[in-house]
Amino acid sequence: QKEVEQNSGPLSVPEGAIASLNCTYSDRGSQSFFWYRQYSGKSPELIMSIYSNGDKEDGRFTAQLNKASQYVSLLIRDSQPSDSATYLCAVNLLLILTGGGNKLTFGTGTQLKVEL
Amino acid sequence: DTAVSQTPKYLVTQMGNDKSIKCEQNLGHDTMYWYKQDSKKFLKIMFSYNNKELIINETVPNRFSPKSPDKAHLNLHINSLELGDSAVYFCASSHSDQYQYEQYFGPGTRLTVT
Repeated sequence: QKEVEQNSGPLSVPEGAIASLNCTYSDRGSQSFFWYRQYSGKSPELIMSIYSNGDKEDGRFTAQLNKASQYVSLLIRDSQPSDSATYLCAVNLLLILTGGGNKLTFGTGTQLKVEL
Repeated sequence: DTAVSQTPKYLVTQMGNDKSIKCEQNLGHDTMYWYKQDSKKFLKIMFSYNNKELIINETVPNRFSPKSPDKAHLNLHINSLELGDSAVYFCASSHSDQYQYEQYFGPGTRLTVT
């Protein structure tokens, strides 16, 4: 079982619709969760972080976390063509025994296409 | 006001050569990372330094040697380059505080070994 799983897509949605991106993770000790957006040829850009169960909203983006189900999702409302990118789910495990820092494990990403 | 910067952006070299990539961050973070993104776009951590101390060393050939002269800089030296080293290498940085884990990435260095 992969540590962080995402559907590779492509996920196609019409402009103005809600895009729903999903991610599951295997390590129950995971403590924080992130969504990154990566345009082709560019670096990953952090768009959302979530640390506790429930929903977190930021503009058109909502992250949802359910630790019991080991599931995290990202909703993008009013999708725009500029949202077309690969969305990477990342899960953090604090390395307590090694003096700090954290290890992010990434999923393989979901390609989102927003069509006019 | 670049946050995380890397040089060079592109690196084309022949097998067997030695090359270095440099990274600098001005975010005041105490932890820096090197990631490799392969042709299938999978992003995987290689190394992490916290306050100049190596804290993550994933299964990476010992031809790769990171060095952190201070907490704002992290370099990656690669000896005897191989074709399989071709990838995009990203530097990232973060705080190590419990609630400030967000990692910010540099623009990447595209390494092509011929």
